[in-house]
Amino acid sequence: NAGVTQTPKFQVLKTGQSMTLQCAQDMNHNSMYWYRQDPGMGLRLIYYSASEGTTDKGEVPNGYNVSRLNKREFSLRLESAAPSQTSVYFCALLGAENTGELFFGEGSRLTVL
Amino acid sequence: AQSVTQLDSQVPVFEEAPVELRCNYSSSVSVYLFWYVQYPNQGLQLLLKYLSGSTLVKGINGFEAEFNKSQTSFHLRKPSVHISDTAEYFCAHPSSPQGGSEKLVFGKGTKLTVNP
Repeated sequence: NAGVTQTPKFQVLKTGQSMTLQCAQDMNHNSMYWYRQDPGMGLRLIYYSASEGTTDKGEVPNGYNVSRLNKREFSLRLESAAPSQTSVYFCALLGAENTGELFFGEGSRLTVL
Repeated sequence: AQSVTQLDSQVPVFEEAPVELRCNYSSSVSVYLFWYVQYPNQGLQLLLKYLSGSTLVKGINGFEAEFNKSQTSFHLRKPSVHISDTAEYFCAHPSSPQGGSEKLVFGKGTKLTVNP
């Protein structure tokens, strides 16, 4: 979706390797999210950030770290990747407050061997 | 914590047939409800939302949903589907009873397949 850009779109890692998924927005909104999507599981919230410099855990934060150094960017880091982290990761941005409209990036497909 | 349950994981239908995708929610206080659609290899996008007011909500692409408080349901319907409606559909609900849009909780999704 326009306004939310994720990189990379695809990545293959070996168990134990580290990597960072990047997310950037140009809509000047505050709240940003990282979700993972797995077959039959829907989307599960990993971390979210209500504003620059603040982050909070979601439903499945273990094995991940996040960073929100500025309003525009929200990154997700895997310090030591595990096969269970094979998933599609989505960054999302909250539109106007209390409307529930999330704008999603196109996703990053991560495979951990 | 609030939750949503999508009762069907897969729904196959023929083109031009009507369809209903079911969603039930749990909530003790205010209710905000959403349907999102995910086309193949894309992110999710908002289809429609219920925040308050009329219980029949119209969304994009001819979809509508009805908020039913007594049955705690928010089923999605379309009277005549097209091949292009093939996608996965997610019902969503804020995780806190106070409502608001932080931390939306998504259902597990319903894959709609429209066959010619």
